[in-house]
Amino acid sequence: DTAVSQTPKYLVTQMGNDKSIKCEQNLGHDTMYWYKQDSKKFLKIMFSYNNKELIINETVPNRFSPKSPDKAHLNLHINSLELGDSAVYFCASSPEQGPNSPLHFGNGTRLTVT
Amino acid sequence: GNSVTQMEGPVTLSEEAFLTINCTYTATGYPSLFWYVQYPGEGLQLLLKATKADDKGSNKGFEATYRKETTSFHLEKGSVQVSDSAVYFCAQRDGTGGFKTIFGAGTRLFVKA
Repeated sequence: DTAVSQTPKYLVTQMGNDKSIKCEQNLGHDTMYWYKQDSKKFLKIMFSYNNKELIINETVPNRFSPKSPDKAHLNLHINSLELGDSAVYFCASSPEQGPNSPLHFGNGTRLTVT
Repeated sequence: GNSVTQMEGPVTLSEEAFLTINCTYTATGYPSLFWYVQYPGEGLQLLLKATKADDKGSNKGFEATYRKETTSFHLEKGSVQVSDSAVYFCAQRDGTGGFKTIFGAGTRLFVKA
């Protein structure tokens, strides 16, 4: 009965490779997000989709490309991985876009680029 | 732009001690305010929220009151347990830039038995 699930949990890869992280939510939420958490635990929003439409696109290198095939899924593809991409990536969802809407997080994908 | 500032950690307390984690925010409008908790190896979980001035959010013995006059949302608990050891994040959310949730830097809490 996992609410927001991400795969894989760990990802170790070399510089220059391309990798994807998948996210699925079974909560029926309309809005999904990708956040990046650095080694000091700081969380920064990367993207947000509402009903498959991109609504937030922060200053993120265009090597990062989100894709939402339907409102229950939001995947993140990263091209030409760099050392600085090492972080924990969290997928999240919320019932709606409104200000009172809390986020529901997955357990994260720890990406290590060597 | 909007931001959230919370006290630096780590905070180390003995079991049954009183906890305060300070949080202040800057916003152009009137955001909703949240506290999230992150246990090791997990994602963040909503702990409590308040959606307007003077609202008090509470859950599992934790409380925080939305203070518009001081732009603060400090987290308190009267008696912490070892199981409360985690990282706590203060956050705000409003319509600026498309309803994104902006987080503070997190405060790590260690509770000793």
